[in-house]
Amino acid sequence: AQKVTQAQTEISVVEKEDVTLDCVYETRDTTYYLFWYKQPPSGELVFLIRRNSFDEQNEISGRYSWNFQKSTSSFNFTITASQVVDSAVYFCAPGETSYDKVIFGPGTSLSVIP
Amino acid sequence: KAGVTQTPRYLIKTRGQQVTLSCSPISGHRSVSWYQQTPGQGLQFLFEYFSETQRNKGNFPGRFSGRQFSNSRSEMNVSTLELGDSALYLCASSWEDRGRIDTQYFGPGTRLTVL
Repeated sequence: AQKVTQAQTEISVVEKEDVTLDCVYETRDTTYYLFWYKQPPSGELVFLIRRNSFDEQNEISGRYSWNFQKSTSSFNFTITASQVVDSAVYFCAPGETSYDKVIFGPGTSLSVIP
Repeated sequence: KAGVTQTPRYLIKTRGQQVTLSCSPISGHRSVSWYQQTPGQGLQFLFEYFSETQRNKGNFPGRFSGRQFSNSRSEMNVSTLELGDSALYLCASSWEDRGRIDTQYFGPGTRLTVL
C-alpha cells in the first residue's frame, strides 16, 4: 500500500519566482507509478506527469521539472518563473499500476501573487 | 475533439436515495477512472474500467458500483446515500493500447449534495 506526504500545506510566491513542491511517498511495491496532478480554482483536475519507478531520469517540460529520487522516496515538482495561472492545489500520488489505485496526497496549495 | 463530459454537473439527493452519475470519455479512450473528492478525506480513487471490465476498485463499500458500456461511456451508482457521500465526483479517461498508456484527461466533475 502506498502513502504520500506533502509537507507543505500552503505556499505563496511572487510571480516569476521558482517554487518546488515536495512529495515523499511510502510503498512496499517494487514497481509503481508516481503522478502529479493540478487542481486550479475551477475544480477540474489536470494530469501533469506520470513516472514509473524504474525510470529515474528527471524530466523538464517547459517551466515544469520533476526530480525523482528513488533512494529517498521523493518525487519533487518545480515550477520555474511562476505565473499567476499556476495558482492551484497540486497533488502528488503514487499508484500501483497505470492510473488505477492511486493514493493521493493531501495537496499543496500554491498561490502566485502578481 | 470533445473533452470528457460528466452529467449531471450538480445533484441534490436525500439520505437513503440512490444516484447514478454518467461519464462520457474522449472518443477513442477505453480507460475510464472515477474519483471522489471530499473536504475530509481528500481525493480518493473509486474504480477504473477498461473495455467494459472493472480492473481495479478503491477502498469503498459495496454501495458504490459502476459499469462501462461498449461505447466506453461509464456510469457510477451509489445506493442508500449517506451524508458523507456528499462530494465532487471526478471522471477521467485515457487512451490505452497493448500496454501503452497516454495522458489522462478529467471531466469537470459532478457535485453531489446529500441532505
